[in-house]
Amino acid sequence: DSGVTQTPKHLITATGQRVTLRCSPRSGDLSVYWYQQSLDQGLQFLIQYYNGEERAKGNILERFSAQQFPDLHSELNLSSLELGDSALYFCASSERVLAEQFFGPGTRLTVL
Amino acid sequence: AQTVTQSQPEMSVQEAETVTLSCTYDTSESDYYLFWYKQPPSRQMILVIRQEAYKQQNATENRFSVNFQKAAKSFSLKISDSQLGDAAMYFCAYRSRDNYGQNFVFGPGTRLSVLP
Repeated sequence: DSGVTQTPKHLITATGQRVTLRCSPRSGDLSVYWYQQSLDQGLQFLIQYYNGEERAKGNILERFSAQQFPDLHSELNLSSLELGDSALYFCASSERVLAEQFFGPGTRLTVL
Repeated sequence: AQTVTQSQPEMSVQEAETVTLSCTYDTSESDYYLFWYKQPPSRQMILVIRQEAYKQQNATENRFSVNFQKAAKSFSLKISDSQLGDAAMYFCAYRSRDNYGQNFVFGPGTRLSVLP
């Protein structure tokens, strides 16, 4: 158990819908990262927050957005969902900006 | 932009034997971090080992060790005395010390099977 929690574990929704994925970092970690892992593929970095501020952006679609709240939990919002958005979404946290990341168990999103 | 390549999509090893997973990367930076992550069937991502580019000494964590060749931009993972629990996807990852911009790049992964 990495100490990073993600909810929900599984999410099934329809095309065109909007969903919110939630992540709680390890206690004391200020940095949160979001990744997308499509079936049998590697990890795609989406976005990083540090202490409430966006620090780095990867290949995140405009339909996706994220934020980190004052209590340091983070939410990833996915809208106008498409079939291709079906994937495992990981959240990771680290103590410092340049420290190693610890991953949550992931949220499996299925878009029908 | 940095890229990470893992040229072995799949590998297998006999239990108790040693296996080496390859990773190469491309970067123009001189200081960075390299990692190996393990993803078992549970899909949990687990940090196996990390290496800081400015350190010449190869990192070691119990049965896991790396061969870091900075000039060749190579970062291979050696697993000694392989165990059934080592069966997983292994991802090599690069992290820039410059946190502005895309900061974490993963390779495509190598699926390791451990044969009893």
